[in-house]
Amino acid sequence: EAGVAQSPRYKIIEKRQSVAFWCNPISGHATLYWYQQILGQGPKLLIQFQNNGVVDDSQLPKDRFSAERLKGVDSTLKIQPAKLEDSAVYLCASSLHPAHYEQYFGPGTRLTVT
Amino acid sequence: AQTVTQSQPEMSVQEAETVTLSCTYDTSENNYYLFWYKQPPSRQMILVIRQEAYKQQNATENRFSVNFQKAAKSFSLKISDSQLGDTAMYFCAFRQGAAGNKLTFGGGTRVLVKP
Repeated sequence: EAGVAQSPRYKIIEKRQSVAFWCNPISGHATLYWYQQILGQGPKLLIQFQNNGVVDDSQLPKDRFSAERLKGVDSTLKIQPAKLEDSAVYLCASSLHPAHYEQYFGPGTRLTVT
Repeated sequence: AQTVTQSQPEMSVQEAETVTLSCTYDTSENNYYLFWYKQPPSRQMILVIRQEAYKQQNATENRFSVNFQKAAKSFSLKISDSQLGDTAMYFCAFRQGAAGNKLTFGGGTRVLVKP
């Protein structure tokens, strides 16, 4: 079974530029999560999708971050414009459905904003 | 809001010995799940063990076991017979019992297993 795929693995941009991250969850997983993990901290949920609908985006900085999961499979997370404090690893995870306890994580995208 | 605290930033242990990681959490809920996740260097985060709050029996997965103290809101992880491959960041996480609720993670404990 293929795991959660993410790309790119690394990205370096200057502040005020835009960036996009892509995630392909495990086949058949209805629930998809985006987390932000700042160095030295635990992951923090940014947004949760159930199929193509948003379940929770309460911690997503909506003035600069956006995410979509148009066909209920792949998802894209965008930052525009980026700030220095956005430097972090962005993790994508998926689960079979919201009530399923186990989330499967991708390798993450390490973003450096200079 | 739920909070999860891991008070040990880093721990080291000799190969084959035992190490215990501590975790405390704060919630007013009665139905919830607790987890320990492992994040090896430059590798994906994986689930190590989970505990349902309604279960009194402590969960065990091979060399990994937990000590769940519901009244004290404590959830420690014991790694027995430590192996070099156990070197990683370990995160304690909390999830409310209702479907769709998010994981809240602690700040992590770095475990270094020495040969």
